[in-house]
Amino acid sequence: ETGVTQTPRHLVMGMTNKKSLKCEQHLGHNAMYWYKQSAKKPLELMFVYNFKEQTENNSVPSRFSPECPNSSHLFLHLHTLQPEDSALYLCASSQDRTSGSGLETQYFGPGTRLLVL
Amino acid sequence: GQNIDQPTEMTATEGAIVQINCTYQTSGFNGLFWYQQHAGEAPTFLSYNVLDGLEEKGRFSSFLSRSKGYSYLLLKELQMKDSASYLCAVKDKSNYQLIWGAGTKLIIKP
Repeated sequence: ETGVTQTPRHLVMGMTNKKSLKCEQHLGHNAMYWYKQSAKKPLELMFVYNFKEQTENNSVPSRFSPECPNSSHLFLHLHTLQPEDSALYLCASSQDRTSGSGLETQYFGPGTRLLVL
Repeated sequence: GQNIDQPTEMTATEGAIVQINCTYQTSGFNGLFWYQQHAGEAPTFLSYNVLDGLEEKGRFSSFLSRSKGYSYLLLKELQMKDSASYLCAVKDKSNYQLIWGAGTKLIIKP
């Protein structure tokens, strides 16, 4: 399924810039996720929202600030990033978060490739 | 601790069969997922196993043994388009988060 869109697809920013990543899901799902993917490393979960409420913040630095105005949209606001924050940022959504029946299967957007100079 | 292990890279021949293994250690198990990720693209869902045994879906099959903390993804009749990274992820029952392996890069040769 490709019902999750992300913009922009590529972003270059300086360490003093402020930018935002946008994610939209068209699947009617209730949970949304932000992940960071660096080369040859496992996906790192950053934030989880369930029914618009943040349920997880995996010790992410405050220079990353999520926002979830409704169940279909998720933003990641970026401010004063460091070069080591350069990575692929992936958004995902799932019907459910906890069921154990497969409804928690996550579907990913294409990602934003971020380069911090 | 929690850990997912899978080989970093594998090479196989077009038309052949390849098995990608995944071993895991988690505090609580509530399902295992396999995803395919082509370079520069999103991970796409392949399979979900929560009970022991083999799940077959076309050319792809996934096996799970909970007692051994082990799964494999079997790809048959390999095609060039199967060249991708294959990600194994285990759902932790304690917090419902997915614990991800670093992925296996599969290279298909003619």
